[in-house]
Amino acid sequence: EDQVTQSPEALRLQEGESSSLNCSYTVSGLRGLFWYRQDPGKGPEFLFTLYSAGEEKEKERLKATLTKKESFLHITAPKPEDSATYLCAVLGGNQFYFGTGTSLTVIP
Amino acid sequence: EAQVTQNPRYLITVTGKKLTVTCSQNMNHEYMSWYRQDPGLGLRQIYYSMNVEVTDKGDVPEGYKVSRKEKRNFPLILESPSPNQTSLYFCASRTVRVGGANVLTFGAGSRLTVL
Repeated sequence: EDQVTQSPEALRLQEGESSSLNCSYTVSGLRGLFWYRQDPGKGPEFLFTLYSAGEEKEKERLKATLTKKESFLHITAPKPEDSATYLCAVLGGNQFYFGTGTSLTVIP
Repeated sequence: EAQVTQNPRYLITVTGKKLTVTCSQNMNHEYMSWYRQDPGLGLRQIYYSMNVEVTDKGDVPEGYKVSRKEKRNFPLILESPSPNQTSLYFCASRTVRVGGANVLTFGAGSRLTVL
């Protein structure tokens, strides 16, 4: 069965405390893995696309990496404004499969 | 500005009263889709459309209808809403052209409450 699993469900960090979010997937015909940020009551906002194992993308304090069966979103020295839910999605064929997200809270 | 626009953003209605949530995109995208988002369940696809006049069921199509008469518009219709359709709804679009980025662009969401 095609599915995407994110962990942990929730994460609380002190400001400046680095950590990683995990996205594992069992989707055939991978055409891309996508990370989104979602603020409460708003639409998901695109962060990164990764296409092949070994690929890495960076944006400010965020870095996304991809292996054959999982992706990590590394957050370095987070700030309170990084608090949000981070969604992982995998495109297999013409279908997007979404994880349930990791809710990140960064405490000042 | 490239965007997906949904209306209304908030709606409270009663069981059985037909309603339509509109969705429009200005990016000339072929693919459009509707999702619902519920706590603990994540984003679930309701219907999608690969192009004009082509629509297909997603994972949770029961109780919903869609149409794609124009490339830019993809309305979601609830013929007889029930309380279990209370949810946060998102419309999204992307290109399917070869070489395209495949990135789904989402609307701001429509929060629907059915009493």
